[in-house]
Amino acid sequence: QVQLVESGGGVVQAGRSLRLSCAASGFRFSSYGMHWVRQAPGKGLEWVAVVWHDGKKKDYEDSLKGRFTISKDNFRNTVYLQMNSLRAEDTAVYYCTRDGSTSGTYPMDYWGQGTLVTVSS
Amino acid sequence: SSVLTQPPSVSVAPGQTARISCGGDNIGTQRVHWYQQVAGQAPVLVVHDDSDRPSGIPERFSGSNSGSTATLTISGVETGDEADYYCQVWDDVTDHVLFGGGTKLTVL
Repeated sequence: QVQLVESGGGVVQAGRSLRLSCAASGFRFSSYGMHWVRQAPGKGLEWVAVVWHDGKKKDYEDSLKGRFTISKDNFRNTVYLQMNSLRAEDTAVYYCTRDGSTSGTYPMDYWGQGTLVTVSS
Repeated sequence: SSVLTQPPSVSVAPGQTARISCGGDNIGTQRVHWYQQVAGQAPVLVVHDDSDRPSGIPERFSGSNSGSTATLTISGVETGDEADYYCQVWDDVTDHVLFGGGTKLTVL
């Protein structure tokens, strides 16, 4: 069965960096686009970034461009989110999700359980 | 559609029908997807491409989309349906995913 397991969250000081990982199993990872979605405490869902199946095309929420980088390793079946210059407003649960296609334009049919990132000032 | 607007809350008695709207410019020309998030859990896809259900989702969940409003309809609401619901589209002008602000469904 499809499994997405996030890791790498924790408490980090403002201005520092953190890299999240999402290990995928149960499907042909190289055939699917992958997203990161976050949810601040008590708030709604916010899309962060998407990477196409082959790792070559990527898109980001406008306000995060330049600070966050998504990448995909089809040999390790893992998607990453590198987060730099973290701010208090980046505090959230970060979910890894699978797109229903090779790109990022289909529904997110599987979600991980999320990893909590807390940015302390 | 750059903004998706949902009502913050909807309340319904058990057994009744809940309708949750998602408004956006020309949303009727886009494919709308709906997610259910029970408190403390990750979201789950309940309707995709306006009106299709993933396997395992009860027939009580249905969707429609026309003009400037998409609607998620839950028939015969059960207490277990109490959750936050989010609509989502892919904006092919900006190549971005858009989520609605979410609607909290309360089962009275």
